Amino acid sequence: GIQVEQSPPDLILQEGANSTLRCNFSDSVNNLQWFHQNPWGQLINLFYIPSGTKQNGRLSATTVATERYSLLYISSSQTTDSGVYFCAGSGYSSASKIIFGSGTRLSIRP
Amino acid sequence: KAGVTQTPRYLIKTRGQQVTLSCSPISGHRSVSWYQQTPGQGLQFLFEYFSETQRNKGNFPGRFSGRQFSNSRSEMNVSTLELGDSALYLCASSLVRLAGLETQYFGPGTRLLVL
Repeated sequence: GIQVEQSPPDLILQEGANSTLRCNFSDSVNNLQWFHQNPWGQLINLFYIPSGTKQNGRLSATTVATERYSLLYISSSQTTDSGVYFCAGSGYSSASKIIFGSGTRLSIRP
Repeated sequence: KAGVTQTPRYLIKTRGQQVTLSCSPISGHRSVSWYQQTPGQGLQFLFEYFSETQRNKGNFPGRFSGRQFSNSRSEMNVSTLELGDSALYLCASSLVRLAGLETQYFGPGTRLLVL
């Protein structure tokens, strides 16, 4: 099955800073998504982005499917952005078997 | 639209017991996936159901099983509980497209503690 690598594993920033989170896939990936998990464990879908670029407020994501990676950009970070960010996707042969990366733990200091 | 609901939210069991967790998807969503989240192993795919059929299964022992009903509600069962089964169990629902799934929406999870 596909392997999903996320970097960096941990990131500590001051409020107002910008950040870039990266996700690499071992093979062509289907259903690529980014999630944010808050301290209470709730996973919130940020982007469904198998290719191209999308923006939602201070967050944007870009997926380069041919090079098997995706990037999540967070601008002007706020303390509420803290939590763990996951990317996930599936291989084309098992399209509904979604594999998650190990996550990037983001801490925003006031 | 109501979100994905999971019951119960918290559960304490002892080794050897069995447990059944329930998930109600967003109305109109026919795909339900289950995940186990632990500090050591992260988020791991358990299985996915669509139209009452299991389409994919992760690398878990046969003690983990599930089913889906005609109204798309799903249950997962873990028999002969082990200490290592203590985890957050998450359920997600989504619409289905030809080449896979659409955006997944997660429930709040069930926290299972096995003593």
